[in-house]
Amino acid sequence: SAVISQKPSRDICQRGTSLTIQCQVDSQVTMMFWYRQQPGQSLTLIATANQGSEATYESGFVIDKFPISRPNLTFSTLTVSNMSPEDSSIYLCSAQGISGANVLTFGAGSRLTVL
Amino acid sequence: RKEVEQDPGPFNVPEGATVAFNCTYSNSASQSFFWYRQDCRKEPKLLMSVYSSGNEDGRFTAQLNRASQYISLLIRDSKLSDSATYLCVVIDSSNTGKLIFGQGTTLQVKP
Repeated sequence: SAVISQKPSRDICQRGTSLTIQCQVDSQVTMMFWYRQQPGQSLTLIATANQGSEATYESGFVIDKFPISRPNLTFSTLTVSNMSPEDSSIYLCSAQGISGANVLTFGAGSRLTVL
Repeated sequence: RKEVEQDPGPFNVPEGATVAFNCTYSNSASQSFFWYRQDCRKEPKLLMSVYSSGNEDGRFTAQLNRASQYISLLIRDSKLSDSATYLCVVIDSSNTGKLIFGQGTTLQVKP
């Protein structure tokens, strides 16, 4: 059974539209993160999803482009706003502490293609 | 300089070979280190943590060299199923606890 469920698993979107990705963890976790993995690249941290407060964004990522919600300890969403082809990527939700201290467990990812 | 650097490869080896990957990190205060494995079109999954004294898990051995700021992963008796990308991961030394990923080293084991 999936520890972290992420949906949609893939989508093809038109330029200028927005897409919201959902991440559900089957247990309460303190730390949740959103990563992006562009084709042939490693993972880049977008932001830390903080429960009950605004997300903490990494350099190069802003709330207007990637709004994040974290209403409770098991759920988070990432929205990719006003999409362009450069946003085509895999977006990965992750949670820390499920399989051990400091260990990240990932969702299966959401593969986004922007036309 | 990147915070975590790996040789992207690919490393092409025959079945049964021994292969080693190195990873260097820039922040000497980093405390925790991991190797993750990512199969094609799949999410990364923890392969093993890296302890100061080195650790072994079956055919896999991980070692840490703090003085030179690198970690290594040794795979003995390579199997076809070992073909994947191996990601070196370092915990940010600040209180954020963020994991910083290397770009990954691709291994292809051939019959």
